[in-house]
Formats: sequence, C-alpha cells, structure tokens
Amino acid sequence: KQEVTQIPAALSVPEGENLVLNCSFTDSAIYNLQWFRQDPGKGLTSLLLIQSSQREQTSGRLNASLDKSSGRSTLYIAASQPGDSATYLCAGTQGGSEKLVFGKGTKLTVNP
Amino acid sequence: GAVVSQHPSWVICKSGTSVKIECRSLDFQATTMFWYRQFPKQSLMLMATSNEGSKATYEQGVEKDKFLINHASLTLSTLTVTSAHPEDSSFYICSARKQGRGNTEAFFGQGTRLTVV
Repeated sequence: KQEVTQIPAALSVPEGENLVLNCSFTDSAIYNLQWFRQDPGKGLTSLLLIQSSQREQTSGRLNASLDKSSGRSTLYIAASQPGDSATYLCAGTQGGSEKLVFGKGTKLTVNP
Repeated sequence: GAVVSQHPSWVICKSGTSVKIECRSLDFQATTMFWYRQFPKQSLMLMATSNEGSKATYEQGVEKDKFLINHASLTLSTLTVTSAHPEDSSFYICSARKQGRGNTEAFFGQGTRLTVV
C-alpha cells in the first residue's frame, strides 16, 4: 500500500526566506505527482503537476521536482511571503490508477 | 486551470437526517469524480470514485449504503450522507479530472463542512 510522508510537518520562516518542502513515497513507482495548497477550512488549490514524462515543473516562485528512482519530490518556494502561509499537500498516482494518494501535509507559516 | 464547485460549503443537520452534497465541474467535462473525507490535521482519505453513468467504486471500509453517490452527468456528482450521525461530522471534498487523453491534473472543490448534531 502506497504511503506518503511529508517533512517537516510544520515550518515557520521569516518573510523573504527560500524554503524546501519534502515528500516521499514508499512505492517509488509514481506516475503523476501534484502539489496542492490548502487554506484553513478550504478545498485544495492545485499548484504544480508533474506528469509521467516530466521531472520538474515551475510556476512563478514555485518549483517542484520529482526523483522517480527514489520516490521523492521537493517543492521549492522562493522569496516566501506571508500570503504563502497554508498547508501544502503532495499527492501521487501510480500507473493504471487515477487515484491520488496524499501526504498529511506541511503547515507553512511565513512571518512578516 | 479549471473550476470545481461544491455546494453547500457548510451544513448542520440533525442526527438521523440525510444530507446531499453537490460537486460540479463548471468549465469542463469530468467522466470521473472523486469524493474525499478529511479529519482535522489529517490527510485526505479517498471514499469513492464516481463514474458518469455507472455505479461508484467505494474504497475498503466505506459503507456504500450510507454514502450514496450519483454521477448523472459529465458535470455533476452528488454525495448523500444517509441517516447521518455525529461521527459522520467531517470535511468532505470532491475532485474531478478533465476528460480526455493526457489531461491528468485533478481539480478540487472548496469542500463541505458537515456537522451532525
């Protein structure tokens, strides 16, 4: 059974700092990987999708990479802002399945 | 991106009553929608996969007679929590994928906070 671990569980940084969030899968055979943002009491906002043929995606200050050999993904946030404060979730699918398996998330707080 | 709308965003109901939650893909067609449940400080747990025009596929441990799912069109899936009890109180979220080859990104609704009193 696929399990997803996100480290750290919580992170507090000063505004302007660059940071890295980590995600690892027990089964490294990840087909697609998505990073999401969830604000308190809200749904999920898709941030980045790394499809099966890709290794990296960038959107603005966000960069996500996937190492399929190890089943690890990182989300890099540059020049963090207070508005980045949220819980960040990673999720992946495995070949032949559309089901997303989620980690528990990293709660990020960016202090002004 | 794409928009998935979920309604209502919150609902309070009495124990023993039923509650219906709607999930709509507003600007794309979704042959498959997914229903998740999220407990406080926990990850999302997949409850069932909803396929347009056919029966939903439930995950192990999810009671299909309690959580009724209907996916009558390519843009609408509904989850009905029947005979709700306080332990059903939770945050329910739906997601949808765009129809078509190569479209693999999942989009999520804003969630529904259900409180059973």
